[in-house]
Amino acid sequence: QKEVEQNSGPLSVPEGAIASLNCTYSDRGSQSFFWYRQYSGKSPELIMSIYSNGDKEDGRFTAQLNKASQYVSLLIRDSQPSDSATYLCAVNINNTDKLIFGTGTRLQVFP
Amino acid sequence: NAGVMQNPRHLVRRRGQEARLRCSPMKGHSHVYWYRQLPEEGLKFMVYLQKENIIDESGMPKERFSAEFPKEGPSILRIQQVVRGDSAAYFCASSRTGRDSPLHFGNGTRLTVT
Repeated sequence: QKEVEQNSGPLSVPEGAIASLNCTYSDRGSQSFFWYRQYSGKSPELIMSIYSNGDKEDGRFTAQLNKASQYVSLLIRDSQPSDSATYLCAVNINNTDKLIFGTGTRLQVFP
Repeated sequence: NAGVMQNPRHLVRRRGQEARLRCSPMKGHSHVYWYRQLPEEGLKFMVYLQKENIIDESGMPKERFSAEFPKEGPSILRIQQVVRGDSAAYFCASSRTGRDSPLHFGNGTRLTVT
């Protein structure tokens, strides 16, 4: 089992819809969870961090964490074509400072 | 610009040469991470360093690769005797405190081995 798993996509949604991106992780001891966005040819940029079970909202983005199910998700409301990118889930592993990334989900928002 | 600075942005090396990639962390950050990304693939952890210490190098190939973060100056990722399979984007990231603080990435160095 991979340490951090994401569906590679592409996930295609129409403009204005809600995009739902999912991530599972293998280490029950993980405490820190992050979502990054990466445009083609660019470096990853931080969108959200979440550390506690439940929802965390920031603008059009909502991160959801369920430690019992080892599941973290990112919802993007009112999706825009400019949201088209690869979204990377990152999790700290084995109660260390090492951050492991999933392979990313490619999101396509079409007008 | 107080962001993570990486140089060079692009580096071309012939097989057998050495590649040196440099990274200056954000001001106030003492934790540096190096990741490698192949085309259409995810970020692969290579090494995590603090000033003058390698904390975790479990993702580094055992041969030809080394990293350092000296007391003064940038962190260096060194690849000796490069091969075509080393061609990739190498990203450096820094954080303030480690596990609970997010990583901030530099623009990366695109290494091409000919």
